[in-house]
Amino acid sequence: KQEVTQIPAALSVPEGENLVLNCSFTDSAIYNLQWFRQDPGKGLTSLLLIQSSQREQTSGRLNASLDKSSGRSTLYIAASQPGDSATYLCAVLYNQGGKLIFGQGTELSVKP
Amino acid sequence: KAGVTQTPRYLIKTRGQQVTLSCSPISGHRSVSWYQQTPGQGLQFLFEYFSETQRNKGNFPGRFSGRQFSNSRSEMNVSTLELGDSALYLCASSRLAGGQSSYNEQFFGPGTRLTVL
Repeated sequence: KQEVTQIPAALSVPEGENLVLNCSFTDSAIYNLQWFRQDPGKGLTSLLLIQSSQREQTSGRLNASLDKSSGRSTLYIAASQPGDSATYLCAVLYNQGGKLIFGQGTELSVKP
Repeated sequence: KAGVTQTPRYLIKTRGQQVTLSCSPISGHRSVSWYQQTPGQGLQFLFEYFSETQRNKGNFPGRFSGRQFSNSRSEMNVSTLELGDSALYLCASSRLAGGQSSYNEQFFGPGTRLTVL
């Protein structure tokens, strides 16, 4: 069964700290992996897309890595800010058929 | 470029009624997917349409159906509503052209919040 797991479920850090969010998946035959951000009651904002042939992607203070062999991805957030507070979701695509399999998310709180 | 739009944003229905939700994808995107988000189950895939054809379907009862029009706009219908159908329904679009996986990046709309009383 294809499953995605995110650890931790919740994380609280002081402003300015660097942090890592973890995502693991059971089937390594992925097509790509996406990281999203969701603010309360809102839709999902795509942060980074990593194709199956890539090892990492960077956007601003965000860096996502992918290790297919171990079934893991990490999202690194540098110099965290209160505006980074949100739920971060990892999702895996196994084929072109649009079916993303999501983790349960990590709820991040950055304290001023 | 306009993002994915969903209408209505909020809906309140009673048990037994039916509801239709609408999704307009980003211009040029041909694939539309629907997801249900609840606190208990998280985000679950409902179905995906590409060129007016349903290509993939999740594990939801037949009360959940959808369709896609020639302009790629999509609608989702839920008949005989149950209390458990209360959720945020999210639509996502992607370009899916040329066989390059980067085109599979999915962009989500703001969602429709459905409350069933």
